Amino acid sequence: EAQVTQNPRYLITVTGKKLTVTCSQNMNHEYMSWYRQDPGLGLRQIYYSMNVEVTDKGDVPEGYKVSRKEKRNFPLILESPSPNQTSLYFCASRLRQSYNSPLHFGNGTRLTVT
Amino acid sequence: KQEVTQIPAALSVPEGENLVLNCSFTDSAIYNLQWFRQDPGKGLTSLLLIQSSQREQTSGRLNASLDKSSGRSTLYIAASQPGDSATYLCAVTKDSNYQLIWGAGTKLIIKP
Repeated sequence: EAQVTQNPRYLITVTGKKLTVTCSQNMNHEYMSWYRQDPGLGLRQIYYSMNVEVTDKGDVPEGYKVSRKEKRNFPLILESPSPNQTSLYFCASRLRQSYNSPLHFGNGTRLTVT
Repeated sequence: KQEVTQIPAALSVPEGENLVLNCSFTDSAIYNLQWFRQDPGKGLTSLLLIQSSQREQTSGRLNASLDKSSGRSTLYIAASQPGDSATYLCAVTKDSNYQLIWGAGTKLIIKP
């Protein structure tokens, strides 16, 4: 089944404790992206990647890191999480060749930083 | 700067009614517009994608239209069902890097 898989689904952590949220897709998509969703602010892009070893900042990259060493994986790293990073996070992917290909989303990771 | 607006923020209608959700955008220079559905605790599912050269797309009971000149898109849902209850978001692709600009969504409740 074609899908984008995020782990974990829920995560509670404390300020300053490094964490990684994993994202993997099995559709051979070149483009991958991370979003956060907050009430009243909608979806905001954190980072995106057009292909392996190519990453770019989105609208809200501060406090986050990403890597794209393999085509299928695009982990999101919070080196020193803070309470303002409490949010619902989504990973997404699409074919790069056509901007008219739809975006596929994972089921989300709800992160709470205390 | 491209902005995407969805009105209303929430809508509640009885089962069986036909309904229209609205999405407006400020810059007509878009590559496409997508409608998504988001269920609680789940990710977003792409419903329809309208290319900039198209006027509408249909999938089952859903029909999405696009009027670039007026900066508007509508999502028409025919014969609504309780299972249609969800939040519906629209997004426009703004540039060749495939970056999306998102609306805040319309929360739809279909009452049995």
